[in-house]
Amino acid sequence: QVQLQESGPGLVKPSQTLSLTCTVSGGSISSGDYYWSWIRQPPGKGLEWIGYIYYSGSTYYNPSLKSRVTISVDTSKNQFSLKLSSVTAADTAVYYCARDRGYSGYDPPDYWGQGTLVTVSS
Amino acid sequence: DIQMTQSPSSLSASVGDRVTITCRASQSISSYLNWYQQKPGKAPKLLIYVASSLQSGVPSRFSGSGSGTDFTLTISSLQPEDFATYYCQQSYSTPGTFGQGTKLEIK
Repeated sequence: QVQLQESGPGLVKPSQTLSLTCTVSGGSISSGDYYWSWIRQPPGKGLEWIGYIYYSGSTYYNPSLKSRVTISVDTSKNQFSLKLSSVTAADTAVYYCARDRGYSGYDPPDYWGQGTLVTVSS
Repeated sequence: DIQMTQSPSSLSASVGDRVTITCRASQSISSYLNWYQQKPGKAPKLLIYVASSLQSGVPSRFSGSGSGTDFTLTISSLQPEDFATYYCQQSYSTPGTFGQGTKLEIK
């Protein structure tokens, strides 16, 4: 069964860049059968889709974050990563990586990481 | 972006009750509507996709229906482990927007 695990700093200073990595086990990103997503959830609030990536490197981003987001993939390490620049306190959230059910663009995430809390504070 | 509105925002019910949560999209999303369950401190769990398809391993007491703009999630007989927050999400167009959530509490 596929498992996903987020890693990265839990504290980021305002105006800096948030960087997280998702390590996938039990399945290969290179299979080409899925999109791989990032989703976030501010404390006590709802869910926000950030974007997803295909094994080839094709990406789709939420327009509200597009100017600050980069998602990349390293198939040799079976990992994909999120960078969010110029962060503010509004970017404080639990960040989840997830695997979509397919790669049609209509498929929802079905396997999720446990999530990692990133706090933006000086 | 497509706006997703859930109702109610919170709901109190008892074990054994039949419960229905509704989700309305700001425009037609065909059947590209998904439902998630989230418990405190945990990642969301996919329950239903494309409006009515039960995700593998999800109990059959969960069901979904609807198309176009109006959708429902029904739990036929509430179990103690079902008390959680439920989210709908449209995957018809990017960004895949979520509803604000419905918190299901024990009466």
